[in-house]
Amino acid sequence: DVKVTQSSRYLVKRTGEKVFLECVQDMDHENMFWYRQDPGLGLRLIYFSYDVKMKEKGDIPEGYSVSREKKERFSLILESASTNQTSMYLCASDVRRDQPQHFGDGTRLSIL
Amino acid sequence: AQSVTQLDSQVPVFEEAPVELRCNYSSSVSVYLFWYVQYPNQGLQLLLKYLSGSTLVESINGFEAEFNKSQTSFHLRKPSVHISDTAEYFCAVSGPLTHQLTFGKGTKLSVIP
Repeated sequence: DVKVTQSSRYLVKRTGEKVFLECVQDMDHENMFWYRQDPGLGLRLIYFSYDVKMKEKGDIPEGYSVSREKKERFSLILESASTNQTSMYLCASDVRRDQPQHFGDGTRLSIL
Repeated sequence: AQSVTQLDSQVPVFEEAPVELRCNYSSSVSVYLFWYVQYPNQGLQLLLKYLSGSTLVESINGFEAEFNKSQTSFHLRKPSVHISDTAEYFCAVSGPLTHQLTFGKGTKLSVIP
């Protein structure tokens, strides 16, 4: 089975801090994704990557950046955390667009 | 652009009763359709998918969904629900021309004993 592992289940940070969320997948998938999930809004795509060192903006990239230096690892970076970035963050990967995405268990991030 | 509408944010249903969770999508091109389930404190898991072919697709735990192109719908059904089906369900759409998976806002299914 595909395993997508997010480094933290819960994280508390302060406003203005630089925050790193890490995601690793073990199935050699080309494509990786970062979403945020908020009550009543569903999942919204922040960034995705279809190859090492490649990235594409999703629907809500403002305030975020990403890094993909190795195929299995995709990092989400909050350059200067703000309280409106308090949310559940989900990482996913897939092998191609007609195959389902596999999700990690999420990181619940609180910015105080 | 593609979009997904899940018409009900919450659906309470008694155990062993049937349930339908509604999903409508909009897209100008052919689509791939998915239903994902999210149990408390977990990520999303694929429930079933439609890519092409038979319009009725089934999951291993008794759910089914029917792709209706004329009504642009992909409703999820189960004839008899269990307590363990309590979860949030997300409908999603993508297509051959886009890698972006667009999700609906989710439907919380609560099964009442």
